[in-house]
Amino acid sequence: DTGVSQDPRHKITKRGQNVTFRCDPISEHNRLYWYRQTLGQGPEFLTYFQNEAQLEKSRLLSDRFSAERPKGSFSTLEIQRTEQGDSAMYLCASSLVLGPQGETQYFGPGTRLLVL
Amino acid sequence: KNEVEQSPQNLTAQEGEFITINCSYSVGISALHWLQQHPGGGIVSLFMLSSGKKKHGRLIATINIQEKHSSLHITASHPRDSAVYICAVGRGDKLIFGTGTRLQVFP
Repeated sequence: DTGVSQDPRHKITKRGQNVTFRCDPISEHNRLYWYRQTLGQGPEFLTYFQNEAQLEKSRLLSDRFSAERPKGSFSTLEIQRTEQGDSAMYLCASSLVLGPQGETQYFGPGTRLLVL
Repeated sequence: KNEVEQSPQNLTAQEGEFITINCSYSVGISALHWLQQHPGGGIVSLFMLSSGKKKHGRLIATINIQEKHSSLHITASHPRDSAVYICAVGRGDKLIFGTGTRLQVFP
């Protein structure tokens, strides 16, 4: 399967614990996005990378959140000192950007986080 | 007011019916996307368009840039079309999503 993969698919943790999610994009894609989706809502942008550079972070992304894409391939999203409000589906998407006209993003299956 | 508004929020249909989902936006955009999300979370991109109309199988997407409005049509709907349909607009390098339209097609 050459699509976007995410690991783990589900994570249950206790409030105050740290969690880390991984995203493996489609191999030749230079852009990687992280989104968060809560029940009944559309996804919300968190951050994105162009190769290994993190180009933008949403104001939704508090200091407890950090994302990396160290070699321009896979990415990790870490949440420190989790809170119950962090419970959501965390989605990763990747795309190949060749110009300014917009691109199709390919989504992974998501990691569903539940903070108890 | 959300930057991307979809209507209706929920839609039920009988198999075979023609379906229309609407999306209005209030910001300048680079492109508009229609996506499909099935239970369990997987999101699939259906269309990306910046003008006119696109067709893929039984799905048709149109956009009116002047009116900041797009529609997604499904002809001859089928129960397997049951999903959440999400409109998203490209703003800079990121997407801004609507809240989705939940479609249920009954046999």
